[in-house]
Amino acid sequence: AQSVTQLGSHVSVSEGALVLLRCNYSSSVPPYLFWYVQYPNQGLQLLLKYTTGATLVKGINGFEAEFKKSETSFHLTKPSAHMSDAAEYFCAVSKMNRDDKIIFGKGTRLHILP
Amino acid sequence: DAGVTQSPTHLIKTRGQQVTLRCSPKSGHDTVSWYQQALGQGPQFIFQYYEEEERQRGNFPDRFSGHQFPNYSSELNVNALLLGDSALYLCASSPDVTANTGELFFGEGSRLTVL
Repeated sequence: AQSVTQLGSHVSVSEGALVLLRCNYSSSVPPYLFWYVQYPNQGLQLLLKYTTGATLVKGINGFEAEFKKSETSFHLTKPSAHMSDAAEYFCAVSKMNRDDKIIFGKGTRLHILP
Repeated sequence: DAGVTQSPTHLIKTRGQQVTLRCSPKSGHDTVSWYQQALGQGPQFIFQYYEEEERQRGNFPDRFSGHQFPNYSSELNVNALLLGDSALYLCASSPDVTANTGELFFGEGSRLTVL
């Protein structure tokens, strides 16, 4: 079975500082990996995804993530935090199979300190 | 172009009652997935509909059922409501070719409170 573990339910960073949100996955087959963002009272929005190919993927709003198979990780980073980045972030995994569901982690709430 | 729309946005029910939630997918999308998001948790997969049939299902009891209509819109029905069913119910749509490659478009959800 596939699963996702997000380390840290809450992360606080200062505006302008590096953002690092950690995600480790478990999958018996090559995974597809995703990061979604949820702003208050809104649905989820895809930030970025890894399917195949380049292991460093770039997403919207300056975020990027690197797929590291040896570490079973897919951490999300942004060089410089902005106040508008405050939101809930979800890492998710699915199999490379169009008939499989997407499994979400429990989420990390990112707080930006002025 | 309207995105995914869900109704109602909020509702309150009592234990034992039944509820129906509705979802209209984004234009051009034919696959609809439903997720339950309890407070402080990530979304949990309930089921997915394609061509008016349930294509796959998560670990939810039979009290949770759904339907997809010819226009691709969908309903989620929950019978015999329990307090633990209180959650945000999210609908997500996608073109079938990308149904499981992450290209899900989410609505803003229906927040259900069971008293």
